[in-house]
Amino acid sequence: EADIYQTPRYLVIGTGKKITLECSQTMGHDKMYWYQQDPGMELHLIHYSYGVNSTEKGDLSSESTVSRIRTEHFPLTLESARPSHTSQYLCASSESGRVAETQYFGPGTRLLVL
Amino acid sequence: QKEVEQNSGPLSVPEGAIASLNCTYSDRGSQSFFWYRQYSGKSPELIMSIYSNGDKEDGRFTAQLNKASQYVSLLIRDSQPSDSATYLCAVEGAAGNKLTFGGGTRVLVKP
Repeated sequence: EADIYQTPRYLVIGTGKKITLECSQTMGHDKMYWYQQDPGMELHLIHYSYGVNSTEKGDLSSESTVSRIRTEHFPLTLESARPSHTSQYLCASSESGRVAETQYFGPGTRLLVL
Repeated sequence: QKEVEQNSGPLSVPEGAIASLNCTYSDRGSQSFFWYRQYSGKSPELIMSIYSNGDKEDGRFTAQLNKASQYVSLLIRDSQPSDSATYLCAVEGAAGNKLTFGGGTRVLVKP
């Protein structure tokens, strides 16, 4: 099972601020993912990475950006936060070369943009 | 049509009874299937995975897969109030590398 960490767990911030949500995993997983989930709603994939220097946009359009400079680290950045960005952001990782795509989730970051 | 469909519920089950959850998917080439449990305000946690047609049992949970009919189900036996949560079905498509999640079924186990 993956150890995957997200910080901050909760963030309240004003409109227009730049924010970075951190995600780190200690299992050496090549693949990492960012999902967005509103309360009681579906998970939406917004970004993913198959390894260092690899990033792709997910199924849901997002104004956020990501980077993957190190295997264990996959931060998500919002250059100018807006109230519409208020949501829960979940990071996940999985191991390459396995039979199946078993993803393990971090605890999530709850973002509130005022 | 959504790629992965689940009844949103809530599915109300008396304590001790069997909860039966269904999930259908559209990608006929899908190979791997997962059930996650998500408590309110928490992140999803993996309960079971299944790759072959038939049943797979793990404790009180049984996953059933029928690729010909493109559905996967989850049975929760001897349901407990602690099983009250949203259960997410996830499917790895033929292309691999990503999971597509259903909208989840909310289960409520009443004492």
